[in-house]
Amino acid sequence: EIVLTQSPTTMAASPGEKVTITCRASSSVSYMYWYQQKSGASPKPWIYETSKLASGVPDRFSGSGSGTSYSFTISSMETEDAATYYCHQWSSTLTFGSGTKLEIK
Amino acid sequence: QVTLKESGPGILQPSQTLSLTCTFSGFSLSTYGMGVGWIRQPSGKGLEWLANIWWDDDKYYNPSLKNRLTISKDTSNNQAFLKITNVDTADTATYYCARILSLRFDYWGQGVMVTVSS
Repeated sequence: EIVLTQSPTTMAASPGEKVTITCRASSSVSYMYWYQQKSGASPKPWIYETSKLASGVPDRFSGSGSGTSYSFTISSMETEDAATYYCHQWSSTLTFGSGTKLEIK
Repeated sequence: QVTLKESGPGILQPSQTLSLTCTFSGFSLSTYGMGVGWIRQPSGKGLEWLANIWWDDDKYYNPSLKNRLTISKDTSNNQAFLKITNVDTADTATYYCARILSLRFDYWGQGVMVTVSS
């Protein structure tokens, strides 16, 4: 099983601040997927195939990486971006990262 | 418009079998490339993938739970099912079903809470 390690576990960012979340895989994966989940709601697809934005996702979000190291970036934090973000891989038995809770400062 | 909705027993006792139903609309599980997956989330914790079923009836299970899981579908009634045998308190969670397209869970249901308690 490929273990996905996200960091940080929690963080707070001020409006306008750049945010970066990392996801490290225990073995190489072909792509990384990212989901956004707000409190009490279902997860939403956010980034797929490492760097493609899901429908409706603002372009301040981006994803990058390869092999075992991936990142998720918000170029300029907005209040509506406060949520928990999960990375996810399909290369082997499907696994999710443990999540990064992003709060507004 | 794609929608999915999970249903389940709400509460059940340890050692019982959990039966979940995902009723969906806006797509067909007989369409090439389509799939439905089940994912669960204990309260305040992360996501755990459970099982997928594909348009061609291929099935994939989380190895850590494989012996306890059975996924199936009823294409004509637009439903997918998941059974978990011999439940215990660790199976208490919100259970989601989600459509799979191009290796993405692109639409999710609202989730159904399941509590295992004696």
